[in-house]
Amino acid sequence: DAGVTQSPTHLIKTRGQQVTLRCSPKSGHDTVSWYQQALGQGPQFIFQYYEEEERQRGNFPDRFSGHQFPNYSSELNVNALLLGDSALYLCASTAWGDWGINQPQHFGDGTRLSIL
Amino acid sequence: GDSVTQMEGPVTLSEEAFLTINCTYTATGYPSLFWYVQYPGEGLQLLLKATKADDKGSNKGFEATYRKETTSFHLEKGSVQVSDSAVYFCALGPYGQNFVFGPGTRLSVLP
Repeated sequence: DAGVTQSPTHLIKTRGQQVTLRCSPKSGHDTVSWYQQALGQGPQFIFQYYEEEERQRGNFPDRFSGHQFPNYSSELNVNALLLGDSALYLCASTAWGDWGINQPQHFGDGTRLSIL
Repeated sequence: GDSVTQMEGPVTLSEEAFLTINCTYTATGYPSLFWYVQYPGEGLQLLLKATKADDKGSNKGFEATYRKETTSFHLEKGSVQVSDSAVYFCALGPYGQNFVFGPGTRLSVLP
């Protein structure tokens, strides 16, 4: 049973570029959340997708956008990259019904994004 | 808004020592509480959870009790091992909302 998988593992970009990160949820999950984890800090919620729609959003600018596909996989896009966007980006999945009762999310190993 | 506070690290212990990592929270409503662990180069793994007041979560020798009166969820282990070295995150899940994580506490266990 595959868990949450993310790609790529590492990515290096320069300021002003755009990046796309990908996530496949755990089998049986239909809800995907994205988090940004800066070095030495806890994960910060970016947004959540269910039924191909953004359901919740954290305090992140519009440069951060996402998409969910019919197979439940998801993409995180970041435009006009800034040095401060350097972080580990984590994807977490759950089943929507479990979400409503605060069951744990399952996390991928993340994508390490470095901005030069 | 909802928030989680954890004791600052790093915490350095000798093998077989007793571990406590403090966690307190502020939240409206009745959140569930979680401890996640992150090993180097990996994502977060659920360690244990508690969904209501006075619940005790436990896993792999770790325990934490949901204390509503003190708004706390302290993580404890009676005898740590070198393999427990990692970063530990306390988190809360307000009903139907996104999870809020604490800043993490790094634990180093020396042989």
